[in-house]
Amino acid sequence: EVQLLESGGGLVQPGGSLRLSCAASGFTFSSYAMSWVRQAPGKGLEWVSAISGSGGSTYYADSVKGRFTISRDNSKNTLYLQMNSLRAEDTAVYYCAKEENWNDDLAFDIWGQGTMVTVSS
Amino acid sequence: DIQMTQSPSSLSASVGDRVTITCRASQSISSYLNWYQQKPGKAPKLLIYAASSLQSGVPSRFSGSGSGTDFTLTISSLQPEDFATYYCQQSYSTLRSFGQGTKLEIK
Repeated sequence: EVQLLESGGGLVQPGGSLRLSCAASGFTFSSYAMSWVRQAPGKGLEWVSAISGSGGSTYYADSVKGRFTISRDNSKNTLYLQMNSLRAEDTAVYYCAKEENWNDDLAFDIWGQGTMVTVSS
Repeated sequence: DIQMTQSPSSLSASVGDRVTITCRASQSISSYLNWYQQKPGKAPKLLIYAASSLQSGVPSRFSGSGSGTDFTLTISSLQPEDFATYYCQQSYSTLRSFGQGTKLEIK
């Protein structure tokens, strides 16, 4: 079964750091780009960051650029999001998502269950 | 960055109704447009990719159309399980972005 399982969320003080993990199973992890998408309480979806299958290319939303770092370990089938200098507005459920490619048509076809990050003193 | 704008933000409808949700991109995105459904407390689910291709397992009452900057998601005959929030998302730019969502409620 194709599955994504996030972990690492929790309560952190403003200015603190947290590392999220996303364990993948049931597919050839290294063949797919992956993204992090977040959802603040009661709000819509916000794309945060993406990484290519090899890990050689990374992309960030302006709201997190310079503070968050996406990475992956294809030997462990795991995606990461290192979050530094956290702010209250980073409070959200963080989802990892697999990006399927149908002849250059790209969409997030598999999502994890999400992990909650709360930034508060 | 590409901005995605959905309308309406919320919609009340009855079982059996035909419903259309619109998504507009701030620049042309060809057909690189996807639609997702999200129910409370759950992860989003892919419904439509490439503007009009139905994801495997999604009921045929869901359909998508459009290209360039204007897109629509249509549900031909609403079922009770369709009441949820719907999001469009562009995959034209490496900096992906979502619409703000359309909440579909029972009338």
